[in-house]
Amino acid sequence: DAKTTQPTSMDCAEGRAANLPCNHSTISGNEYVYWYRQIHSQGPQYIIHGLKNNETNEMASLIITEDRKSSTLILPHATLRDTAVYYCIVRVWEQGGKLIFGQGTELSVKP
Amino acid sequence: NAGVTQTPKFQVLKTGQSMTLQCAQDMNHNSMYWYRQDPGMGLRLIYYSASEGTTDKGEVPNGYNVSRLNKREFSLRLESAAPSQTSVYFCASSRDGASMLGNQPQHFGDGTRLSIL
Repeated sequence: DAKTTQPTSMDCAEGRAANLPCNHSTISGNEYVYWYRQIHSQGPQYIIHGLKNNETNEMASLIITEDRKSSTLILPHATLRDTAVYYCIVRVWEQGGKLIFGQGTELSVKP
Repeated sequence: NAGVTQTPKFQVLKTGQSMTLQCAQDMNHNSMYWYRQDPGMGLRLIYYSASEGTTDKGEVPNGYNVSRLNKREFSLRLESAAPSQTSVYFCASSRDGASMLGNQPQHFGDGTRLSIL
């Protein structure tokens, strides 16, 4: 079972920041939080990951709370092409460090 | 930048037929994975390979076999296809090796859409 809970869907206006929340209250101290997205039926696309510090790359920022029980993915200036299903994943240690995908958040970016 | 390449992209089989799904990565990654995705669901791990010459079962291995042919290639075989194996199959690779640090992202191919009649 997924170790994360996310809202089923969210809307965001084009050009505005999209803030996608995720709860992972049972995360262990050495487990990483990963974010992926999937557009239509393409392969999941890696966005960002972190352990306990906030992270930023060219796609997004990841804010992890101090107790590590929740995180937020921030897309700073959402575009129509960011419409996708976003998955927050806690990467577990067993089975080769598999990714356990939950239902994800369907983000719709609207003009 | 090819990344992870999967072939074929689409396939239709009849029940009982066999086939092999191919996956190759050009990133010199150590670990490779096979997932399946069913409608409205997230991906589930079928098999993985932490390094060349090793393979292990994931969550849903029944009905499948795998081969890590070399560091680049990881194939998935259906010996006797069943309608329940109709799915989209994704291959992924990661720089993580046997140490499984967990801090290297998995990169996915574009998938093979398999229908079994």
